[in-house]
Amino acid sequence: DIQMTQSPSSLSASVGDRVTITCRASQNISSYLNWYQQKAGKAPNLLIYAASSLQSGVPSRFSGSGSGTDFTLTISSLQPEDFATYYCQQSYSTPRTFGQGTEVEFK
Amino acid sequence: QVQLQESGPGLVKPSETLSLTCTVSGGSISNYYWSWIRQPAGKGLEWIGRIHTSGSANNNPSLKSRLTMSVDTSKNQSSLKLTSVTAADTAVYYCAREVDRGSGRWFDPWGQGTLVTVSS
Repeated sequence: DIQMTQSPSSLSASVGDRVTITCRASQNISSYLNWYQQKAGKAPNLLIYAASSLQSGVPSRFSGSGSGTDFTLTISSLQPEDFATYYCQQSYSTPRTFGQGTEVEFK
Repeated sequence: QVQLQESGPGLVKPSETLSLTCTVSGGSISNYYWSWIRQPAGKGLEWIGRIHTSGSANNNPSLKSRLTMSVDTSKNQSSLKLTSVTAADTAVYYCAREVDRGSGRWFDPWGQGTLVTVSS
């Protein structure tokens, strides 16, 4: 199985901050990397697919980069509605695997 | 747009079989993989398995041979059966469509999820 490791596990930030979350795969996954946002009590919602493509309807303050084993999700200016947990997920092979999540909290 | 809705018993006894259905509305179930993903309370996401409308399926090896999935194109439904459940199977269960394009593969949309508790 491909292991996905996110860092940090949690972070505290303020509205307007630039936030960066990293995800590392245990082997080369090319660009088969997706990012999801999950708010409390809700299903995950797709933000970024194929490492850097912004899902339709997702604000442009979200961006993704990387390929191979190292990936980054960036929120350029954190908004109140962005406080949530973020997960990376590899779709290079089965079983599909997720990172452990990064909780973005209000400072 | 396509919407997914999970349904099934919210309480299952230990050693029994957990059965869930995912009903797809607003579009056809055909020509996609349909995945099941679960999330224990306060924990992360675990992919359980997927099934294509052609019948091709992949399971998470962690579940060994306990998992069976099926798809009914006439009802626009995907189903999951997990046998010999224990308390460790208590979780919110989601179904999700896997979109496959040349650039990648991703889960979208997701159902709202259904909580299944394993307890006597």
